[in-house]
Amino acid sequence: RKEVEQDPGPFNVPEGATVAFNCTYSNSASQSFFWYRQDCRKEPKLLMSVYSSGNEDGRFTAQLNRASQYISLLIRDSKLSDSATYLCVVNSRYNFNKFYFGSGTKLNVKP
Amino acid sequence: NAGVTQTPKFRVLKTGQSMTLLCAQDMNHEYMYWYRQDPGMGLRLIHYSVGEGTTAKGEVPDGYNVSRLKKQNFLLGLESAAPSQTSVYFCASRLLGGRYGYTFGSGTRLTVV
Repeated sequence: RKEVEQDPGPFNVPEGATVAFNCTYSNSASQSFFWYRQDCRKEPKLLMSVYSSGNEDGRFTAQLNRASQYISLLIRDSKLSDSATYLCVVNSRYNFNKFYFGSGTKLNVKP
Repeated sequence: NAGVTQTPKFRVLKTGQSMTLLCAQDMNHEYMYWYRQDPGMGLRLIHYSVGEGTTAKGEVPDGYNVSRLKKQNFLLGLESAAPSQTSVYFCASRLLGGRYGYTFGSGTRLTVV
């Protein structure tokens, strides 16, 4: 079983739509969670950390559900520039300094 | 502030050739990592280092070696390249502590023919 699993998509949404991605993780003792954004043929860039109480950064909201072992990312009022692949990242139960990446969810925002 | 710099950006190798990928960071980060990214498989950890002079194996270390002689540099070596090593290689670094995320380099696109 993979450490981190994501729906690969693609999610095709119109501008202005609200879209949500989920990511499940297998190790209940995972401590740190992140969402990264990766544009085509570019490096991943940190979008936001995910805190236990949930957190928001502008149009982006991240949530953590430890009981069900998933994290989510909500994007409101989607922009064309939000088109990218979104990667979920969690750290290792056995080595908190090692992180595992999901395969990513592709988002296409259409005019 | 350059962040994480990878060289070269592109390379084509013949099977059996060797090469070294260089990663340099100027953020005084303790931890450095080498990942490879293949279509449909996401990022997979090759080797990592938690400090100068230390290295450790990741998920897919076979066929690669690494060295971290200086804190700011992390080298990835391919001793005898194989077509299965055709991939995009990313270096990343981060601060000490599990709550800090990675900063990635822009990647090296390697093709082994």
